[in-house]
Amino acid sequence: GIQVEQSPPDLILQEGANSTLRCNFSDSVNNLQWFHQNPWGQLINLFYIPSGTKQNGRLSATTVATERYSLLYISSSQTTDSGVYFCAVERRYNFNKFYFGSGTKLNVKP
Amino acid sequence: DVKVTQSSRYLVKRTGEKVFLECVQDMDHENMFWYRQDPGLGLRLIYFSYDVKMKEKGDIPEGYSVSREKKERFSLILESASTNQTSMYLCASSPYPSGSTADTQYFGPGTRLTVL
Repeated sequence: GIQVEQSPPDLILQEGANSTLRCNFSDSVNNLQWFHQNPWGQLINLFYIPSGTKQNGRLSATTVATERYSLLYISSSQTTDSGVYFCAVERRYNFNKFYFGSGTKLNVKP
Repeated sequence: DVKVTQSSRYLVKRTGEKVFLECVQDMDHENMFWYRQDPGLGLRLIYFSYDVKMKEKGDIPEGYSVSREKKERFSLILESASTNQTSMYLCASSPYPSGSTADTQYFGPGTRLTVL
C-alpha cells in the first residue's frame, strides 16, 4: 500500500492561535482529502486537494504533489475546531482505495 | 442534503455471534466503503463496493464479509465475532470517480461495536 504519515499526532492550542498540520505520503496519488472528525465521531470532508491551494474561511490547504506532502492551515482557531484531522489519499491507478493517516488530534482551549 | 446512515451507534455482542452492520445512503452513489477505526491506526479499509453485487477486499478483510443487494445499502457481516473486532466501524459512500470535487467520500456517524 501507500504510507501516509501525519504530524504532529497531538496538538493543543489556545483559542485564536494558528496551526499547521502536515501529511506526507509515499507514492503518487489521484486524490487527497482532508477530513475533520468531531468529538462525536462524525467525519466531514474539508478539502479535496490533489494539488494546489484551496481556502475555505479560516481553513486552507496546500498540496505539493511532486514532493508528496500536503499542509492544512487553521487560522484563528476556535474550540469548535477540536477533534481529529485526517489526511486520506487515493493511490494513482488504484481508484477507490483510500489510505488514511493516523490523524492529528487537536484540542483548542478557551 | 447528503446522508449516510448506519443502523446502530452502539452495539454489544458476544464472542461467536453473527453480527450485521447496515449502511444506507440516499445520494445514488455507486461506491460504498466499510472502514474500521482504531486508536493510533487511523481508518483502515475492510471492503468496498463499486456497484450492486460487486465487492473488493480492502486491506483487512479477514473475518468480515459484505453484501450489496441494492445500490443504496451496504452491509458488513462478522460471521463469528471475536474480541479483536471490537472497534468503531464507519461506512462511507462516494460517486463514481470523475476527477472533481464531487469525488469526496461521505461518512456515516459510525457504529461502536464491543465484542465480549
